[in-house]
Amino acid sequence: DSGVTQTPKHLITATGQRVTLRCSPRSGDLSVYWYQQSLDQGLQFLIQYYNGEERAKGNILERFSAQQFPDLHSELNLSSLELGDSALYFCASSDDRGYSGANVLTFGAGSRLTVL
Amino acid sequence: AQTVTQSQPEMSVQEAETVTLSCTYDTSENNYYLFWYKQPPSRQMILVIRQEAYKQQNATENRFSVNFQKAAKSFSLKISDSQLGDTAMYFCAFMKPPSGNTPLVFGKGTRLSVIA
Repeated sequence: DSGVTQTPKHLITATGQRVTLRCSPRSGDLSVYWYQQSLDQGLQFLIQYYNGEERAKGNILERFSAQQFPDLHSELNLSSLELGDSALYFCASSDDRGYSGANVLTFGAGSRLTVL
Repeated sequence: AQTVTQSQPEMSVQEAETVTLSCTYDTSENNYYLFWYKQPPSRQMILVIRQEAYKQQNATENRFSVNFQKAAKSFSLKISDSQLGDTAMYFCAFMKPPSGNTPLVFGKGTRLSVIA
């Protein structure tokens, strides 16, 4: 158990629908990152939040949005879903305290989204 | 933008043998951080090893070591005494400072199979 909790683990939905993926970071971590991994591909960075504020944005579609709440958990909202949105969505957290000069990202187990 | 290239989509190694996975990256930064993550069939992303670019000494973690060639922008991972449990996708990743403001950039991965 990495300490980063993602729910749900699996989700099957239809095109055009909207889903919300939830992430609870490791205790004490202030940053949350969202990544998308399509079939047999590398991880694509979507967005990062630090202590409730958006800090960095990657190739996140306009149909996707995210937020980080005061208790530091984060939600990734995916709307108007398309077949191509089927992927594994990872959340990662870090403490951003410069431990050993590099923030190590700790990943959750991922949420597998299947769009039919 | 930083890019990370893993030129070996798939590799295999006999149990107890040594294997080296290649990674090159492109950056104009002088200081940065490099990582290898492992993704076994469970899909969990697990940190294997990390290296700070300002450190000349190559990082080592038990059977895992790296060969960091800064001038060549190369960061290979050597796995000694390969075990069946090392079967996984291996991702090379890059992070530039300040590490709290930037996400990890991943390569597309190398699928390693350890054969009994």
